[in-house]
Amino acid sequence: GENVEQHPSTLSVQEGDSAVIKCTYSDSASNYFPWYKQELGKRPQLIIDIRSNVGEKKDQRIAVTLNKTAKHFSLHITETQPEDSAVYFCAASQGNTDKLIFGTGTRLQVFP
Amino acid sequence: DAGVIQSPRHEVTEMGQEVTLRCKPISGHDYLFWYRQTMMRGLELLIYFNNNVPIDDSGMPEDRFSAKMPNASFSTLKIQPSEPRDSAVYFCASSLAPLVEQYFGPGTRLTVT
Repeated sequence: GENVEQHPSTLSVQEGDSAVIKCTYSDSASNYFPWYKQELGKRPQLIIDIRSNVGEKKDQRIAVTLNKTAKHFSLHITETQPEDSAVYFCAASQGNTDKLIFGTGTRLQVFP
Repeated sequence: DAGVIQSPRHEVTEMGQEVTLRCKPISGHDYLFWYRQTMMRGLELLIYFNNNVPIDDSGMPEDRFSAKMPNASFSTLKIQPSEPRDSAVYFCASSLAPLVEQYFGPGTRLTVT
């Protein structure tokens, strides 16, 4: 089955710097890759997603890149702000199913 | 819409007791997912439904866990008997279609002593 690995597990940056979180997946049939943000004690919320027919997608300070050949995708946050502090989860669809397999999460801390 | 609603928000029970978690998805959403979140195992999919029909329950840890969706606006996840290792946050999520944004409920924090 699908396996999703996420790195790093924790990331600390200064406000204004960029943050990059990387994920790898194992199932070449995966075609949907969302990123969720979970603030402390809250529910996960989608921040951006990408499908396998697209290599890059941007939404203001957030971007996601996908390399299908290498089976990895990354989340890029530019000009980080303290409110970006949260746990970020990547996910990949499992083969030709409707299921998502989540990575283990990255705790991002942005220091003022 | 009020979003996905879950109850109770917190549940503390003793080992061996039956626990029932409840979820009301967003109206019109055809997909409903139950997840379990722990520090050790992260966010795991337990089971999901499409149009009230269970599609994949391969994530249900064992026979002590069962889930139902009797209609489009209500689902339950039952644990009987509960064990301390079942302690976790259980999320319900719903989506309009497959492989699009999933909207999570606030979660139920379950503690089994």
